[in-house]
Amino acid sequence: AQTVTQSQPEMSVQEAETVTLSCTYDTSESDYYLFWYKQPPSRQMILVIRQEAYKQQNATENRFSVNFQKAAKSFSLKISDSQLGDAAMYFCAYRSGREYGNKLVFGAGTILRVKS
Amino acid sequence: SQTIHQWPATLVQPVGSPLSLECTVEGTSNPNLYWYRQAAGRGLQLLFYSVGIGQISSEVPQNLSASRPQDRQFILSSKKLLLSDSGFYLCAWSVPLEAFFGQGTRLTVV
Repeated sequence: AQTVTQSQPEMSVQEAETVTLSCTYDTSESDYYLFWYKQPPSRQMILVIRQEAYKQQNATENRFSVNFQKAAKSFSLKISDSQLGDAAMYFCAYRSGREYGNKLVFGAGTILRVKS
Repeated sequence: SQTIHQWPATLVQPVGSPLSLECTVEGTSNPNLYWYRQAAGRGLQLLFYSVGIGQISSEVPQNLSASRPQDRQFILSSKKLLLSDSGFYLCAWSVPLEAFFGQGTRLTVV
């Protein structure tokens, strides 16, 4: 079974600075997808960014980018120019490309605090 | 556009009482549907998923059950709640490249 590990329970960043959240995963598959979700205090889950494993290029969405290291099974999220609204719980998630049901496997999450 | 509704938003129930949480999706047909639970300060654990009416897969043994009586309706139930059932419950539906989540239900069993 696939597992997702987020080793940082909590991180802090100064407003306007850059922070990197770590995620590692374990799988024997070659076809899969990786995601970062944000859960603000409202508890609404919001997709931040996704990466298809077959793509070598790292995904980027405005201030959010990933460092996808397939061989190392690492998928970190970099947030540039951090804003107060970035404060939230961030979840890394894995989805098999072949397994039935499109199920997401989540890590335990990282709480990100943004200091003004 | 697709939307997902989940209710109630909060619920306080005594131990041993029944539970029914409902989730409905609009704007899509035959969605994959999911129930997740989030314990305090922890990640999301998949409880059930469904790929069609009447088709339910359970991921973990527990005191809960799920049903899908209609294409876009997913219900989480329990006959007798336990204290350990407390948590934040999220319904979701998905397409291959994204999952969409409801607003969640905070359940407190007292």
